[in-house]
Amino acid sequence: AQSVTQLGSHVSVSEGALVLLRCNYSSSVPPYLFWYVQYPNQGLQLLLKYTTGATLVKGINGFEAEFKKSETSFHLTKPSAHMSDAAEYFCAANLQTGANNLFFGTGTRLTVIP
Amino acid sequence: DSGVTQTPKHLITATGQRVTLRCSPRSGDLSVYWYQQSLDQGLQFLIHYYNGEERAKGNILERFSAQQFPDLHSELNLSSLELGDSALYFCASSVAESGSSPLHFGNGTRLTVT
Repeated sequence: AQSVTQLGSHVSVSEGALVLLRCNYSSSVPPYLFWYVQYPNQGLQLLLKYTTGATLVKGINGFEAEFKKSETSFHLTKPSAHMSDAAEYFCAANLQTGANNLFFGTGTRLTVIP
Repeated sequence: DSGVTQTPKHLITATGQRVTLRCSPRSGDLSVYWYQQSLDQGLQFLIHYYNGEERAKGNILERFSAQQFPDLHSELNLSSLELGDSALYFCASSVAESGSSPLHFGNGTRLTVT
């Protein structure tokens, strides 16, 4: 079945520490992959996307993600966490050719400890 | 600001009632998507319209319907409301019908069914 899995519904890191949010997908076709961030009482905002080409993609706010086909993963990282990074993060994948139907993971809530 | 406008922001209604949620996409975007976000189900894709035509259906109940008008705004109609329909409903838009175009989300309509 086509799906997007985010490991860890809650992740806590200290301010200044590495942020690593995990995402794996299951698809029979090469997907387009996205990370979105949701702040309280707001809609989702695009952080970054992978379509084709370079497998390491950089996004806003210092985030980046690497597409690893062999591992069917698209983990999100940031070298140094900031208090303002506290939010919910969603991995999403367009798993179907010919349709812009994004499958979302269940989300990971990031807490940054001062 | 994503450029996607959703009204109303909050809606409180009783079981059995019918409500209409409205969405205005970003200028130039032809695709409109509706998503439901709840604590137990996460982000669920409901329906996708492109330039006035339905393109894909997800986990949308028969009690729910949507349409996209010639001016590209969209409405999601929810009828015979049940307590379980309480959720945050997001509209998103994109420029393309399919593929790698990211979605731009509105801030959502929070529906509370009492």
